[in-house]
Amino acid sequence: DVQMTQSPSYLAASPGESVSISCKASKSINTYLAWYQEKPGKTNKLLIYSGSTLQSGTPSRFSGSGSGTDFTLTIRSLEPEDFAVYYCQQHNEYPLTFGSGTKLEIK
Amino acid sequence: EVQLVESGGGLVQPGRSLKLSCVASGFTFNNYWMTWIRQAPGKGLEWVASITNTGGSTYYPDSVKGRFTISRDNAKSTLYLQMNSLRSEDTATYYCTRDRGYYYSSYNPSWYFDFWGPGTMVTVSS
Repeated sequence: DVQMTQSPSYLAASPGESVSISCKASKSINTYLAWYQEKPGKTNKLLIYSGSTLQSGTPSRFSGSGSGTDFTLTIRSLEPEDFAVYYCQQHNEYPLTFGSGTKLEIK
Repeated sequence: EVQLVESGGGLVQPGRSLKLSCVASGFTFNNYWMTWIRQAPGKGLEWVASITNTGGSTYYPDSVKGRFTISRDNAKSTLYLQMNSLRSEDTATYYCTRDRGYYYSSYNPSWYFDFWGPGTMVTVSS
C-alpha cells in the first residue's frame, strides 16, 4: 500500500498570510494526488486533483504542485473561510490512501 | 444540486451486521462510480469500498474484504454498504461519495471524490 505522510499536522497562521502543506508518498504516484478540505458542519470538499488541477469552484488562491513522491498544497493570502482540516489522497493505485490531515488554525 | 444522504448507522455489537444506505439526488446516478469512505474518531480517512456505475464490479481494501459488500440500486438512486462480522475497529463515520469520473466510450472512475455526504456514525461495541 502507498503510505501518505502529511506535514505539519497542525499549522497556525493569520489571515492574509500564505501557507504550504506537504504530502509525501511512500512510492511514486506520478501526479495522481487530490486535496480535500474538511470543515465542521459542511461536507468534505474536493479542492485539487491530479496534483495541480483545480476542481471547479476552488478559489485561485489554492494551488497544488509536485510529482512522484513529493507534493505541496499552497494557500496564498488566507481568507477566514480557509481555516479547516486538509487531507491529501493518492489516486494512482489501489488501495486508495489518504494522508492523516493538517489542521490549519487561526493564529 | 448534488446531494448524498446516508442513513442506517447506529450502535451494534461486535460480530453483528448493519446495512448503510445513501440516497443520491441532483445527478444521473447510473453514470457514476460510487465509493464509501470512513473516518474513525480522531483518525484520518480510509477508503472502504467502490462500485462501478452499473454495479457489475466492486473493489475493497483488505481490511474489509469478505466482510463488507457494496451494492447499488440505480432505479432508486441508492447506494448500500452491507457490513457483516463487525469489529470494534470498524467504529467510524461512514461517508458516501461520488467519484468525479469521466466519460470515454464508457463511464470511468477518476478515483477521487467530488461530492460527499454528511456521514452516518457506526459504533461497534458491546
